[in-house]
Formats: sequence, structure tokens, C-alpha cells
Amino acid sequence: AQTVTQSQPEMSVQEAETVTLSCTYDTSESDYYLFWYKQPPSRQMILVIRQEAYKQQNATENRFSVNFQKAAKSFSLKISDSQLGDAAMYFCALTQGGSEKLVFGKGTKLTVNP
Amino acid sequence: DTGVSQDPRHKITKRGQNVTFRCDPISEHNRLYWYRQTLGQGPEFLTYFQNEAQLEKSRLLSDRFSAERPKGSFSTLEIQRTEQGDSAMYLCASSFSPSTDTQYFGPGTRLTVL
Repeated sequence: AQTVTQSQPEMSVQEAETVTLSCTYDTSESDYYLFWYKQPPSRQMILVIRQEAYKQQNATENRFSVNFQKAAKSFSLKISDSQLGDAAMYFCALTQGGSEKLVFGKGTKLTVNP
Repeated sequence: DTGVSQDPRHKITKRGQNVTFRCDPISEHNRLYWYRQTLGQGPEFLTYFQNEAQLEKSRLLSDRFSAERPKGSFSTLEIQRTEQGDSAMYLCASSFSPSTDTQYFGPGTRLTVL
């Protein structure tokens, strides 16, 4: 069975600073994909970044980057130059090739302080 | 591209009543997913369709739950004889196969069972 664990229920960061959100996962498959989704209060979930397990290079999207440690089954999200609009719940998720369903962690609530 | 839409956005019902939710995916997407999200938790997979075929169902989907996608476009999720434990946010997502592509989420339907 696949599991995703987010050990930080809440995190806070000062505006313009950098913050890292942690995620660990477990899967017996070699073909899988990892995602970070953002869910602002009362708004819909949007994709932040995705990583294919077969790629060694860490994914980046503007101010968002991941540290993908395949052997350790770790997939952390780094947000640089944090902005007030980054405040949201962040969910780490995993899908196996051929299964397609997403398995989510419990989320990390990020607060950005002005 | 108008994104994934869901209707209604909010539904309040009494225990024992039947409810039906609708999801309209992004037009070119052939895969459609339903998830349930309770307060403080990440979304949990319920079921998914490829075109009109329902390919996977979670054990969370009891006999009281049924989902359809009759023409491979919109989908409905019906809950019969609602219980207070059914209160949750019901999320719909869509993606394009054959590749494992990103799932795009709708705004959700919040169900409250009194």
C-alpha cells in the first residue's frame, strides 16, 4: 500500500523568507509520480509542482523547488521569497504508474507573516 | 478552457435523504476522479473513470454511493440514505491519459448532513 506522511501540521514563515515543507512516502513500485498541491482557504486545489520518480533532476517552478531523495523516500518542497499569497494548506501526493489515483498526506498549513 | 466545475457548491440535507452532485471536467480530459475530503485531512480517493468506464472504486465507496459518467463527459455522484458521517467536501478532478498527467481539481461540493 502507498502512504504519504507530512509530519508538520503547521509552519510559518516571514514574507520574503524561505521555508521548506517535509514529505515522506512509501511505495513498493518503481514507477510513480509525486506532487505538491496548494489549497488556499475556501478555494480549489491547484498544482504547485510535480516530479517523475525516474528523473534524478529536482523539479523547479519559479519560486518553488523540490528536494527529491529517492532512496530516503523523501520529497520536500522549498518556497523561496515567500509571499502573502502562498498562505494555504499544502498537500503532498503520490500516484503510481498504472493506478492513477492520488494518495495524499494530511497536509501542512502554511502561514506567511508580513 | 473553463476548468473543472462542480454543482452545487454547497448542499445541506437531512439524514436519510438522497443527494446528487455533478462534475464537468475540462473538455478534452478523458479521465475523471472523485475524492472526499474531511476537515483537517487530505483528500481520499473514491473512484475514477476513463471515458465512460468506471475503472477503479475505493472500499470507501459503500453501497450507498454510486457514480456514473454516461457519455464520457460529465459525471454524477449520488449518495443514498445520507448519514452524518457523509458530511465532507466532495472533490472532482480530471486529467488526460494515456500519460500519467496532472489532475486538475474543481472547487468541490461541501455536503452537510443534519
